[in-house]
Amino acid sequence: AQSVTQLGSHVSVSEGALVLLRCNYSSSVPPYLFWYVQYPNQGLQLLLKYTTGATLVKGINGFEAEFKKSETSFHLTKPSAHMSDAAEYFCAVMRNQGGKLIFGQGTELSVKP
Amino acid sequence: ETGVTQSPTHLIKTRGQQVTLRCSSQSGHNTVSWYQQALGQGPQFIFQYYREEENGRGNFPPRFSGLQFPNYSSELNVNALELDDSALYLCASSSEVVKNIQYFGAGTRLSVL
Repeated sequence: AQSVTQLGSHVSVSEGALVLLRCNYSSSVPPYLFWYVQYPNQGLQLLLKYTTGATLVKGINGFEAEFKKSETSFHLTKPSAHMSDAAEYFCAVMRNQGGKLIFGQGTELSVKP
Repeated sequence: ETGVTQSPTHLIKTRGQQVTLRCSSQSGHNTVSWYQQALGQGPQFIFQYYREEENGRGNFPPRFSGLQFPNYSSELNVNALELDDSALYLCASSSEVVKNIQYFGAGTRLSVL
């Protein structure tokens, strides 16, 4: 069965510092990969996705992620954290086009002034 | 804002009762997926509906059931509520054209006492 592992349930960075949220997946074939963000008392908002093509994917709000097949990873980064980035971040995989999303446990990002 | 609306936003029920949650999908989307997000966890796939037919189901008991209507809106019904059913229930819609992207509503927070 496919699974998604997010390393670190909580990450804290200072404003202006690099953000790195880690995600590894288990799959026999490269799945479709996603990062979603969830602000308090809200639903999930798509940050970025990888389906095919370029392995470095740029998303909204300055976030990007790189698909590394050899490492089965899809880590999320942002060069400079803003206070408004504080939220819960979920990595997810989709094995079949249009199928279900399988989510990791989430990483809560805190940004210190 | 995704255009996916869910109602009600909050709900309190007692153990053994039945509940119906509603989802209005984004315009032009014919696929609806439902997820359960327990506190501190990632969302778990319940089932998906495509053109009024169930199109995949997660590891949830039969007392979780659903419907999709001709206008592609959807309902999630849960019978014989248990305390562990307390969670945020998320609905997501997607289109025939871009099947991989699911747009989420803000969710319904269900508390079972």
